[in-house]
Amino acid sequence: EAGVAQSPRYKIIEKRQSVAFWCNPISGHATLYWYQQILGQGPKLLIQFQNNGVVDDSQLPKDRFSAERLKGVDSTLKIQPAKLEDSAVYLCATSSVPDTQYFGPGTRLTVL
Amino acid sequence: SQQGEEDPQALSIQEGENATMNCSYKTSINNLQWYRQNSGRGLVHLILIRSNEREKHSGRLRVTLDTSKKSSSLLITASRAADTASYFCATKMMDSSYKLIFGSGTRLLVRP
Repeated sequence: EAGVAQSPRYKIIEKRQSVAFWCNPISGHATLYWYQQILGQGPKLLIQFQNNGVVDDSQLPKDRFSAERLKGVDSTLKIQPAKLEDSAVYLCATSSVPDTQYFGPGTRLTVL
Repeated sequence: SQQGEEDPQALSIQEGENATMNCSYKTSINNLQWYRQNSGRGLVHLILIRSNEREKHSGRLRVTLDTSKKSSSLLITASRAADTASYFCATKMMDSSYKLIFGSGTRLLVRP
């Protein structure tokens, strides 16, 4: 069974630029999550999708972050414009049942 | 704010020794999970313990849960160099959401 795929693996941008991350879930997994993990901390949930609907985006900075999951499969997370404090690893995870989430390798973002 | 707090923040042991890490949380939970994260990679689910369970085993892993103290511990027996990683506890709330809240993690170094 293929795992969660994410791209790119690394991205370096300057502040005020925009960036987008892509996630392809495990086939059949209806629930998809985007997490932000700042160095030295645990992952923090940004947004959760159930199929193509948003379940929880309470911690998503909506003035600069946006996410979509068209057709309930792939998802993109966008930051526009980026700030220095957005430097982090962005993790995508998916699940088919409530209890176990499967994580992708993450995208390491550096904002200069 | 994060629900879980791990202790210690960092742990260094010799190969073959046991490693114990602890997690405390604040509110009532449905279950508690432990994840491992190798450097630069995504998280891997290790074990789940439900709120009505007190102890669970999986291979060299032993997890305990004390709901009266709102704490859990993860024991890795006969550690190996390959166990070097960060370990995170994650709690699932009593509501129907799939949402997990992660702690700040324990960085484990197993010296050969």
